[in-house]
Amino acid sequence: NAGVTQTPKFQVLKTGQSMTLQCAQDMNHEYMSWYRQDPGMGLRLIHYSVGAGITDQGEVPNGYNVSRSTTEDFPLRLLSAAPSQTSVYFCASRGQGRNTEAFFGQGTRLTVV
Amino acid sequence: SQKIEQNSEALNIQEGKTATLTCNYTNYSPAYLQWYRQDPGRGPVFLLLIRENEKEKRKERLKVTFDTTLKQSLFHITASQPADSATYLCAFYNQGGKLIFGQGTELSVKP
Repeated sequence: NAGVTQTPKFQVLKTGQSMTLQCAQDMNHEYMSWYRQDPGMGLRLIHYSVGAGITDQGEVPNGYNVSRSTTEDFPLRLLSAAPSQTSVYFCASRGQGRNTEAFFGQGTRLTVV
Repeated sequence: SQKIEQNSEALNIQEGKTATLTCNYTNYSPAYLQWYRQDPGRGPVFLLLIRENEKEKRKERLKVTFDTTLKQSLFHITASQPADSATYLCAFYNQGGKLIFGQGTELSVKP
């Protein structure tokens, strides 16, 4: 049982490049989320999903796309990277109910130059 | 919109003392409030959850209180150890069912 797995762990992109951050969970959780974490800003929600085929925007969705074709996977796409997207990205998953804990991946440190 | 505020200043305490971290929230009354621990370079890890009708919850050296009138939760670590040094995050599910976080408070326990 690996929990939530994110890849890659580190990435450097040039402005304008595209890439996909991968996230997979093996806990059969319906709910999955992407956050970015910047110094002094805490964790801010980018996108989330309540099940396969269903996604919704969070607090800071601009510049990011997501899709959820399976319960296990929730990739985050940067179509045209900008320096403002330099951050640490975390994927999380949880079960149903507002009394459930979230499980986080190890994070992806992304630098856009 | 719902907002969570934690003391952004780092908390420095001596080993063996009790650390107290504060979480204040506005514009919403969550039914549950959660606390997470985050170590440098790692993802947050769940510690404790407290319900709105619970005044206090304990787990080993950890204690959480939840005052729905003050809209505040306090997180205590008793007999603190250097291994407790980390950033601690307060969180709850907002009205839309999304898990939102405070900015976290960094705790440093000196031997």
